[in-house]
Parts: sequence; structure tokens; C-alpha cells
Amino acid sequence: AQSVTQLGSHVSVSEGALVLLRCNYSSSVPPYLFWYVQYPNQGLQLLLKYTSAATLVKGINGFEAEFKKSETSFHLTKPSAHMSDAAEYFCAVRPRNTPLVFGKGTRLSVIA
Amino acid sequence: EAGVTQSPTHLIKTRGQQATLRCSPISGHTSVYWYQQALGLGLQFLLWYDEGEERNRGNFPPRFSGRQFPNYSSELNVNALELEDSALYLCASSLERNRLTEAFFGQGTRLTVV
Repeated sequence: AQSVTQLGSHVSVSEGALVLLRCNYSSSVPPYLFWYVQYPNQGLQLLLKYTSAATLVKGINGFEAEFKKSETSFHLTKPSAHMSDAAEYFCAVRPRNTPLVFGKGTRLSVIA
Repeated sequence: EAGVTQSPTHLIKTRGQQATLRCSPISGHTSVYWYQQALGLGLQFLLWYDEGEERNRGNFPPRFSGRQFPNYSSELNVNALELEDSALYLCASSLERNRLTEAFFGQGTRLTVV
């Protein structure tokens, strides 16, 4: 079964520093991959999605992710962290005929 | 355009009781998904309904059940509540005909079992 693994349950960065949240997928066929963000006491909001059209995917709020087949990775990055980026981030894969399968999430803290 | 709406926002029940959670999808979306987000356990898939039919079910006991109505809204029922059922229950909807479309999530129902 397809799955995703998020490395690091908690990442802490300084305001203005690079954000890098790691996600690796397991899939024998090209997957559909997603990054979602969850702010405290809210539902999930889509940041970006990979559907094989382009390996570098740009999302909302300045986030982007690069699909690397050779590394089976789909890491999320943002050049400069803002305080408002503090949230929990989920990587997800969409196998065929099944709903989204989520990673365990990475909590991002931004230090002033 | 209204997003996915869930009700109630909060629900407090006693162990052994039944809980009913409701979800209205985005207009035009035919698929509804239910997820459980318990503390420390991430997002666990519960149920998937599409066009009124149950399409898939996660690894949960039968006391977790639901249905989808003709207007595509959905209900999640949890019978014989246990303390560990306390969690945030998230509903999402999508236009299922295209697997490329993302799922849109509601704000969730916080269920507390005491």
C-alpha cells in the first residue's frame, strides 16, 4: 500500500530562515502527492499538489515542493519563514481508488 | 461559495452513548470522506462515500458507521462511545470523477467522551 513518511515530528526555525519539511513516499507507480497545513483548532488547507505535470510545484503562501523520483521525495520548502507559518503540516498521497493517506505530520515552530 | 461545513463544532458525550456528526460538502462535490484525528495518532481514514455508496472503509470497528444522503451530505455515527473515541473528526469533500482534484476539509467536530 502506498504511504508517506514525514521525517521529524517537530521542526523549529528562526523567522526569516529557510523552511524545509521532509516527506518521502512509497509507491510503485507515479503518485499524486499533496501538502496540507493545519492551523490550531482548524481543518486542513491545501498548500500544493503534484500531479506529474511539473516536478517543481508552487503553492500558496510562498511554499513550494519538488518531486524527486530518484529519491522518492516530495519535500516542502519556503525561503523565509514568517511567524504566521507556525502550524502542523501534512504530506499525503492519493493511491488509486482509495482516499488520501496522510503522514503523521510535522509541527513547525517559528522563533522570533 | 460555501466550503465544507460540519456540525456541531463541539460535542460532549458520556461513555456508552451514541454520537452523530454531520457534514455538508461543497456544492457539486459527490464524495465525502471522514477522518479521525486523535492526539498523537495523526489523521486516520474512517469512511468514504461517493454518490450515496460506501466506497471504502478504514480500520475501525463496526460501531463507526455512516451514510450519505441524496443531497450528498453525510452523517457519521459512533455507537457505544469509548474514552479513546475522543478526537477531532474531520470531513472532506471532493469531485471524485477526477482523482487529481484535492479534498477540501471542514473545520471539524471536536468529540469529547467523558
